[in-house]
Amino acid sequence: QQQVKQSPQSLIVQKGGISIINCAYENTAFDYFPWYQQFPGKGPALLIAIRPDVSEKKEGRFTISFNKSAKQFSLHIMDSQPGDSATYFCAATPNDYKLSFGAGTTVTVRA
Amino acid sequence: NAGVMQNPRHLVRRRGQEARLRCSPMKGHSHVYWYRQLPEEGLKFMVYLQKENIIDESGMPKERFSAEFPKEGPSILRIQQVVRGDSAAYFCASSSVLAVRTDTQYFGPGTRLTVL
Repeated sequence: QQQVKQSPQSLIVQKGGISIINCAYENTAFDYFPWYQQFPGKGPALLIAIRPDVSEKKEGRFTISFNKSAKQFSLHIMDSQPGDSATYFCAATPNDYKLSFGAGTTVTVRA
Repeated sequence: NAGVMQNPRHLVRRRGQEARLRCSPMKGHSHVYWYRQLPEEGLKFMVYLQKENIIDESGMPKERFSAEFPKEGPSILRIQQVVRGDSAAYFCASSSVLAVRTDTQYFGPGTRLTVL
């Protein structure tokens, strides 16, 4: 079964807008939550990651918000650019290597 | 420094044939992981290998699938007697140390397997 549920499946945002992707998990053993960005024909690349001892982490235009009690975390892409058009995967792991991925969100940024 | 390399990038097999997927990790990396991505789904962990050892194969189907990472050469994911349900993208990742927290898994571009 899907251990990490991701939504929406796809979204379209105007250039300069905010993209928001949400993920939820059930396994309380998960303790590391990375986000990956994947362009067509390429493998996933690590974008940003968070541990559950912080509620927010920001790197440039990308921010992860983490709600431990609700077992939810989200990715915010501020000032979205056409170059951000890609598929984004949330993931989680309890044991350092076995990543459980969400189903992915295809983001399209319209110029 | 070349990234993770996978070949072939696209592979077409008929039902019942064998598929061999190869993965060369980044230079200096000794940990290799295989993931499978079915259409409209996220990547699913299959197996974790170190040189000459399978460490965790809990995500591998019990039959027809095998993986190896020999002392010399690339890691190989082998699928015998392929069926249509094996059609997917297969990604290999490598890391220099075990912990995802301290060193990311670097993914290759994947092999797209199509079973006719």
